Amino acid sequence: DAKTTQPTSMDCAEGRAANLPCNHSTISGNEYVYWYRQIHSQGPQYIIHGLKNNETNEMASLIITEDRKSSTLILPHATLRDTAVYYCIVRVAGWRETSGSRLTFGEGTQLTVNP
Amino acid sequence: GAVVSQHPSWVICKSGTSVKIECRSLDFQATTMFWYRQFPKQSLMLMATSNEGSKATYEQGVEKDKFLINHASLTLSTLTVTSAHPEDSSFYICSARTSGGIIVTDTQYFGPGTRLTVL
Repeated sequence: DAKTTQPTSMDCAEGRAANLPCNHSTISGNEYVYWYRQIHSQGPQYIIHGLKNNETNEMASLIITEDRKSSTLILPHATLRDTAVYYCIVRVAGWRETSGSRLTFGEGTQLTVNP
Repeated sequence: GAVVSQHPSWVICKSGTSVKIECRSLDFQATTMFWYRQFPKQSLMLMATSNEGSKATYEQGVEKDKFLINHASLTLSTLTVTSAHPEDSSFYICSARTSGGIIVTDTQYFGPGTRLTVL
């Protein structure tokens, strides 16, 4: 069963903010929200992750709703190089290996940044 | 930091031959490494999980005798595709999970992938 739901595709104009939504209505209290992206023919790239507080790093911001049932990844100023498939994944963090700690990839959102 | 490399980046081989793919964590130690496979226009599928010094755990449907995994050190894991056939042609991606130290997170970082084509 899919643990996250994302739109299949989105478009964004270069220089504008890209807001990528993700629904994870069945998320458990000990599960984090992770975001990765995959540029064509490359390995996935880690972007950001969070538990319940909003997070920001040099790549993006992650906004998690108070009930934790959904989140939004924000790329503040999208560039052409941000065109990629973006994956929202929930997992139990920690070094102990369990089925819940694995990264399970869904179909993701194909973000296309247009000039 | 947190760089994972793979070698080779692409390989073409004849049917029936074996191919070895190396995965290295360059600036961190990885107790656990993962191997994924991705077919065209599909998402990544986990093949196996390996912990340093122990046998790999394979996902259901993945033949352990065909996809040999060795995780002999905290920075190196290898995947050997034995007796490769055209249906094994795919994009193979490794991932390493940090095991603490300077990078105090258990985030997984991915290699650039290896494109395998079996003729």
